[in-house]
Amino acid sequence: EPEVTQTPSHQVTQMGQEVILRCVPISNHLYFYWYRQILGQKVEFLVSFYNNEISEKSEIFDDQFSVERPDGSNFTLKIRSTKLEDSAMYFCASSGHTTETQYFGPGTRLLVL
Amino acid sequence: SQQGEEDPQALSIQEGENATMNCSYKTSINNLQWYRQNSGRGLVHLILIRSNEREKHSGRLRVTLDTSKKSSSLLITASRAADTASYFCATAPNNAGNMLTFGGGTRLMVKP
Repeated sequence: EPEVTQTPSHQVTQMGQEVILRCVPISNHLYFYWYRQILGQKVEFLVSFYNNEISEKSEIFDDQFSVERPDGSNFTLKIRSTKLEDSAMYFCASSGHTTETQYFGPGTRLLVL
Repeated sequence: SQQGEEDPQALSIQEGENATMNCSYKTSINNLQWYRQNSGRGLVHLILIRSNEREKHSGRLRVTLDTSKKSSSLLITASRAADTASYFCATAPNNAGNMLTFGGGTRLMVKP
């Protein structure tokens, strides 16, 4: 069964460093998403991406964040100049359509020291 | 309550019993999705119910949706210890957007 994959599974970085989180969505999906879950808190929407551009973003997704689909398979989330409060589990998801099921990857646990 | 709030926050039952979790939301939705998360792991999609549907079944899962009350319930029948996890509802807006709004989840513990 097709699934969303994410790398790395864990990332530790120093405050102020840049990190890139990688995702491979399900191959025939057209919509891609990033969410995050701070430990003990709700899953929060960050951004959605369709047709090589951002279609929706939340207030959390400020200039520190960017997304890219560098090739036909990968979807990346870049966090510039990481802060302590960026420590969270970051989930990538994909769907075939906006009103369809969003399938989530296993997540990347980011720890900013 | 906030969009996509689950009730109860925690539920402990014996294996074989049924577990019912509720979700309330505030705005109009296109669909509501239920997810499961084992501790510290990824989100596993369980079931999607559309705003024009009232009930759906999938194996031991039964989901209901009452748009007039803006609420949904997830019933797990004949629970197993392996069902121990957190369960989240997530709502998709009715404005052609695709942002899912998650609730805080119900932590289910099924004792063997």
